[in-house]
Amino acid sequence: QSALTQPASLSGSPGQSITISCTATSSAVGTYNLVSWYQQHPGKAPKLILYEVNKRPSGVSDRFSGSKSGNTASLTISGLQADDEADYYCCSYVRGVLFGGGTKLTVL
Amino acid sequence: QVQLQQWGAGLLKPSETLSLTCAVYGDSFSGHYWTWIRQPPGKGLEWIGEINHTGSTNYNPSLRSRLTISADTSKSQFSLRLSSVTAADTAVYYCARGRRWGLVTYYFDYWGQGTLVTVSS
Repeated sequence: QSALTQPASLSGSPGQSITISCTATSSAVGTYNLVSWYQQHPGKAPKLILYEVNKRPSGVSDRFSGSKSGNTASLTISGLQADDEADYYCCSYVRGVLFGGGTKLTVL
Repeated sequence: QVQLQQWGAGLLKPSETLSLTCAVYGDSFSGHYWTWIRQPPGKGLEWIGEINHTGSTNYNPSLRSRLTISADTSKSQFSLRLSSVTAADTAVYYCARGRRWGLVTYYFDYWGQGTLVTVSS
């Protein structure tokens, strides 16, 4: 069974940068750039913030950036702001659509 | 502006059938895969399945035996039916637009508002 593993929680202070990792148990993730990231505020639908590892949809701040190395994808948020406090989910295709377990980001 | 608006019953008893519908506004129904995703309370996201304008479907293997996704292209709507529900099916259900690379749906750029479905006796 393939899985995407994220840290359960992270925290940072305003202005800092943080990186959320997403590690796949299957080597298939490293083959293609099929990684996307979603931000979810409490009670709201997820919002796409990155696709194809590092592409930002129109309207998404350039403070959000992505990268991938081997079976690990990463989301970096620079210049942390209070509104960045949310849950973040990675997603990839590994013999089916898979989501990571989510990371709760707290802005101190 | 693409918008997805969803509706359906929010409270079910065990063994009943969950039924939700999602209407697509501001976009052509063809050319994309229309997707259902769910999120149990306090937990992560789970891909349920998808359909395109030709009626071609793909389902999560863990739900396939109970799942039907259908589409009414004349209304730009697609629907989810999940039979024999249990408490484990309690979740917020989202519809979303899936974007494809070849035969693979790999990101979701527009989402519905979500519908909380609770299964309780």
